[in-house]
This record gives sequence, structure tokens and C-alpha cells, in this order.
Amino acid sequence: DAGVTQSPTHLIKTRGQQVTLRCSPKSGHDTVSWYQQALGQGPQFIFQYYEEEERQRGNFPDRFSGHQFPNYSSELNVNALLLGDSALYLCASSARLAGRGGAQYFGPGTRLTVL
Amino acid sequence: AQKITQTQPGMFVQEKEAVTLDCTYDTSDPSYGLFWYKQPSSGEMIFLIYQGSYDQQNATEGRYSLNFQKARKSANLVISASQLGDSAMYFCAMRGGLSGGYNKLIFGAGTRLAVHP
Repeated sequence: DAGVTQSPTHLIKTRGQQVTLRCSPKSGHDTVSWYQQALGQGPQFIFQYYEEEERQRGNFPDRFSGHQFPNYSSELNVNALLLGDSALYLCASSARLAGRGGAQYFGPGTRLTVL
Repeated sequence: AQKITQTQPGMFVQEKEAVTLDCTYDTSDPSYGLFWYKQPSSGEMIFLIYQGSYDQQNATEGRYSLNFQKARKSANLVISASQLGDSAMYFCAMRGGLSGGYNKLIFGAGTRLAVHP
């Protein structure tokens, strides 16, 4: 049973560039959430996608956008990169109707470095 | 506003001993969920245990148990018989209800656990 997968694992960009991160959810899951984790901090919620629509958004600017595809996979796009966008980006999947409180299962993350 | 507080930046425990990691939370929602995750140095967040606000009994998952004290708004994680592989960062998280946002998890700052042989 494949878990949550993310690509790429590492990425180096320069200020002002754009980046796309990808996520495939765990088998049987239909909901994808994205989190940003700065060094030494807990993850911060960016947004969540279900049925190809953004369902909830955290306190992130419009430079952060996303998409969910019919196969439930998702992309996170960040435009006009800033040095402060350097972080570990975590994707989490869950099943809308599930036990265990609809626990979110995380992927290994994408480490983004902005120079 | 919803908030998770983990007051122990670092903890260490002897192998085979039990350890308690503290977590307090703040919310005005009557319905919420509490989670604990483990994050090894590799970066992946591993789901450990869940407790619902209306659950009457404390949750248990193998060597992990959650000491849920609703009146004190605390949800401490107890790891019994610690193993060297338990060394990692541990995060407490809450999923809120209507006001906090049912979909997102709010995380604490984490506690780094070191298990010594």
C-alpha cells in the first residue's frame, strides 16, 4: 500500500522564480492538504483540496496556489519566490469520511531553498 | 483563536523507560480532535495517535497512549518502554471545529526526544 509521495525531494530556486511541487495521496484518500514547515518550527497550514476545489486556506498570500486533479493528486505553486519561502513543504492526504478522526498522513516533504 | 502549546523543547529518557510529552491546547469549539505526530530527521511526519473531544476513554496505540484531561485542556503523549528508534521530534496538533476550521491541523512547536541506551 503506497503512502503519500512527493516530488521533487529537494529544489533550489532564486528569488522571483516560480516553483511547482507535486503530491500523490495515499491509496483510498481523496483530500490533500499542504503545509509549510520552517526550520525549527511546527508545520503551518497552507490550504486543502477536496473534489478539485480549495476548501480552506491558511494565512498565506495569493502567491501560493494549488490544484487537485481528478485522480486526487495535487500541485502546489509558488510565484515570485522570496527568501522567506525557504522551508520544507509537506503534503498530507486523508479520507473525507474516515475513522481515526480523519487523520492526515504526510509525505516525506520537498525541501525548497530560495537563494 | 486555537492554539497548541508544547512547553518542553527537549526531553531525554533512558531506553526501556516511559516518558511523557506535554501538550496543552486552547479552543472555543466544543468539537475538536487532537493528534500526535513523530518527525524523524528524515522529515516525514508519522501519525501516532488520535483523541476526539467527545471520546470517553483515553486513546491507546501500542506503546503510545494519550492522557486526555479535558477540563485542564491537556493531551499528553505517553510512550512506554522507550526504544532508540523513538528519538525524534514530536508534534501535538489539533483539528478544530466550526470556528477553527475543520480541515486544517494546528501544530505546536514540538518536543525533541532523545532516547539514551
